[in-house]
Amino acid sequence: SQELEQSPQSLIVQEGKNLTINCTSSKTLYGLYWYKQKYGEGLIFLMMLQKGGEEKSHEKITAKLDEKKQQSSLHITASQPSHAGIYLCGADMYKRLLGNEKLTFGTGTRLTIIP
Amino acid sequence: DTEVTQTPKHLVMGMTNKKSLKCEQHMGHRAMYWYKQKAKKPPELMFVYSYEKLSINESVPSRFSPECPNSSLLNLHLHALQPEDSALYLCASSRGSTSTDTQYFGPGTRLTVL
Repeated sequence: SQELEQSPQSLIVQEGKNLTINCTSSKTLYGLYWYKQKYGEGLIFLMMLQKGGEEKSHEKITAKLDEKKQQSSLHITASQPSHAGIYLCGADMYKRLLGNEKLTFGTGTRLTIIP
Repeated sequence: DTEVTQTPKHLVMGMTNKKSLKCEQHMGHRAMYWYKQKAKKPPELMFVYSYEKLSINESVPSRFSPECPNSSLLNLHLHALQPEDSALYLCASSRGSTSTDTQYFGPGTRLTVL
């Protein structure tokens, strides 16, 4: 089974509407990242959350990490065509004494914005 | 500047060819990564270099050979690949290799093996 589950798998939203994407883990997350990917291109870093209860915003995108650090949500307000793409959460799921970060990615959410 | 560059953008090769993918960053990052991404799947980690030394190899077949000539460059040498190796290959770099060091990704190389 996938260690990081995202929901929904795909989302079609009318321009101007709000939307939320969720990322859920069965384990405590150490460093939760949100990335956006256009088809066939690289990943664009959006935000990183580390502390339980933490919330960060950038332009119209807000990300939260719950208190238990096992779930994160990404909320987009007043969606625009430029928000279309694949959203991926990524997390280091194994706390190590010595570095060597190993990101595990979620299953991805494909967002389509219709005019 | 958080730019990671990758060349070539597209690569088509036969199963007997030898080719290399190149990744470069000038952010002073000391950790660099190779990921493989199949269509409609998330990226999967292949290799991690930390301070120019290979620190993680995710049981990748030997037909993929990574190389880190210096702290700014990361290569992936390809030899005797199979059609199922066709994928988007992504390079990333981060300042360090802890869980709070953000990884910045390049645009990827689209590899097709015939």
